[in-house]
Amino acid sequence: QKEVEQNSGPLSVPEGAIASLNCTYSDRGSQSFFWYRQYSGKSPELIMSIYSNGDKEDGRFTAQLNKASQYVSLLIRDSQPSDSATYLCAFYYNTDKLIFGTGTRLQVFP
Amino acid sequence: GAGVSQSPRYKVTKRGQDVALRCDPISGHVSLYWYRQALGQGPEFLTYFNYEAQQDKSGLPNDRFSAERPEGSISTLTIQRTEQRDSAMYRCASSPPGNTEAFFGQGTRLTVV
Repeated sequence: QKEVEQNSGPLSVPEGAIASLNCTYSDRGSQSFFWYRQYSGKSPELIMSIYSNGDKEDGRFTAQLNKASQYVSLLIRDSQPSDSATYLCAFYYNTDKLIFGTGTRLQVFP
Repeated sequence: GAGVSQSPRYKVTKRGQDVALRCDPISGHVSLYWYRQALGQGPEFLTYFNYEAQQDKSGLPNDRFSAERPEGSISTLTIQRTEQRDSAMYRCASSPPGNTEAFFGQGTRLTVV
C-alpha cells in the first residue's frame, strides 16, 4: 500500500459547481494533514491545514478529515476557472516525515 | 528573508559533473525538506533535517546524492557524477516545530546534458 493515494484526474467541473478532491493515507498515527495547490510551472502553495476530525472551512474551501477511515478531502465551492490547478494532499508520516500524494489535476471550465 | 530561497533557479550541467543546490529556509524554521518533482507528479521525498540533524535520508536515490545542514539553517543538496536521469525540479521546503505547515521555495530546475 502506498503511503498516500490520490486520483490523478483530471477532474473536470463546470464553473460554479463543487469540486471534490480526495486522498487516503496509510499511517494511522498521522495528526497533521495539508492541501496544497500547484499551478503549472509554479511551486506548491499551502491552502488548507487540518488537524482534527471533521470539517474546516476557509472561504470557498472546506477540508474534511476522517481519521477512522484514513481519508482527507477538499471541497471547493463555486469553482472558478482560476481554481484549475493540481491539488496535492500531504501529511506527516511516521511522525515527522512530510510526504505528498501524486496530486489531482482539476479543470474548471466556463 | 521572507520566504524559502533556493539557488540557483536553473542549472545546466554536463554529465559527470558535480552540482550543489542550495536552500535557505524561512528564519526560525527548524525543519527542512528536500524533494524532487517530475512533471505531472507530486513532490517525491528525498531527505529532511531537524535543525542540523539529518533525520531521514531514505528517499535519496543512491549514494551520489547527499545533503547537509551544518549550522541548522542553510542546506545543500549535492549530486555527484550527475547523470541525465537526475534532470528534474528539486524543491526545498521548511516548517516551524511541531509538524505544522511547510512552505516551499521556487525550486531549482536541474538539466544534465
